[in-house]
Amino acid sequence: AQTVTQSQPEMSVQEAETVTLSCTYDTSESDYYLFWYKQPPSRQMILVIRQEAYKQQNATENRFSVNFQKAAKSFSLKISDSQLGDAAMYFCAYRSYYLSGGGADGLTFGKGTHLIIQP
Amino acid sequence: DVKVTQSSRYLVKRTGEKVFLECVQDMDHENMFWYRQDPGLGLRLIYFSYDVKMKEKGDIPEGYSVSREKKERFSLILESASTNQTSMYLCAVTGGGNQPQHFGDGTRLSIL
Repeated sequence: AQTVTQSQPEMSVQEAETVTLSCTYDTSESDYYLFWYKQPPSRQMILVIRQEAYKQQNATENRFSVNFQKAAKSFSLKISDSQLGDAAMYFCAYRSYYLSGGGADGLTFGKGTHLIIQP
Repeated sequence: DVKVTQSSRYLVKRTGEKVFLECVQDMDHENMFWYRQDPGLGLRLIYFSYDVKMKEKGDIPEGYSVSREKKERFSLILESASTNQTSMYLCAVTGGGNQPQHFGDGTRLSIL
């Protein structure tokens, strides 16, 4: 079974600065997907960014980028130019590439990092 | 964008009651999921379904069952609610492959 570890329960950053959220995972699989989700106080889980393990290039989405280190099983999220609207819980998640159960597999989530943006 | 609708934002029930949580999607996707979210534990998979009438247990299925009679609707059932089932419940949907899961707004369920 896969596990996902987010070692920082809470992080705080000044507005406009850069912050990096850590995520490590444990798997014996060679192909898989990794995701970062954001959950603001409104509660809806919003996809921030995703990475396919077979792609060496790190994914980027505007101010959000990842540092994917496959050998180290590390998948950190960097948020540049932090904004007040970035304040939320951030969850790292893993999904197998090869699906079981007839074609679906759930995500394995970390416990989350609460990101605080200081104005 | 996929719209995932959960029937209630907040729900209060009593111990021993049978509780139904409903989730409806508007995109004809095959795969639907129920997660439970607790502080400090993240999200944990309860059950998922990859087709009508098909279901698979997730990591914490005990005390729960599911029903998928129509493709767009996936119900989570607490047969006899207990206080340790007080939690946030999130429904998710995906078309499979490399597509991400899309989540509903969650139901905060309190069992008294």
